[in-house]
Amino acid sequence: QQQVKQSPQSLIVQKGGISIINCAYENTAFDYFPWYQQFPGKGPALLIAIRPDVSEKKEGRFTISFNKSAKQFSLHIMDSQPGDSATYFCAASESTGFQKLVFGTGTRLLVSP
Amino acid sequence: SQTIHQWPATLVQPVGSPLSLECTVEGTSNPNLYWYRQAAGRGLQLLFYSVGIGQISSEVPQNLSASRPQDRQFILSSKKLLLSDSGFYLCAWSPYLGNGYTFGSGTRLTVV
Repeated sequence: QQQVKQSPQSLIVQKGGISIINCAYENTAFDYFPWYQQFPGKGPALLIAIRPDVSEKKEGRFTISFNKSAKQFSLHIMDSQPGDSATYFCAASESTGFQKLVFGTGTRLLVSP
Repeated sequence: SQTIHQWPATLVQPVGSPLSLECTVEGTSNPNLYWYRQAAGRGLQLLFYSVGIGQISSEVPQNLSASRPQDRQFILSSKKLLLSDSGFYLCAWSPYLGNGYTFGSGTRLTVV
């Protein structure tokens, strides 16, 4: 019940295309859903996060879509650029008690020029 | 502003040697602290977390240990390294009350 399932494992997108990464969770107590971006040899960095009181959050070319009833959330990268090539991790946690993030397994995105 | 420092950036150690990786956080008090390991091309494996000085929780049994001697200092140690301890080690912190982790820049450990 603590797992966050992430797909696909890897993704190749043409420059200018839309990259879509999906995550699903089981624990209905989760109420914080961040996405992290990791470049090779670097630590993951927070990209964007959403709470379940909204169905969508947009920051520049990055959008999180959230479906509470389906217990799914996804990251959309519009107009994907070669500089977006990285590994993306979704995560989830509760906001009460000790807020331990549960991470997905990661998606390696390659944006071809 | 809060910052997290992790060192060294890379480390090559022989099998059987000891290990000490250090992580410090600045600009906050009483943070939650975490040690993760990432194998090449793999996901994030939580090794240890700490909610306060001297309070360490282990997620997986292994050859490693962690300590928190000061509020904003987190140390990952081993008495005798194994080849399987090779990997990318990441320290992270989160607010005592609040969401979101901030990761350090990581240590690439190669055990030879």
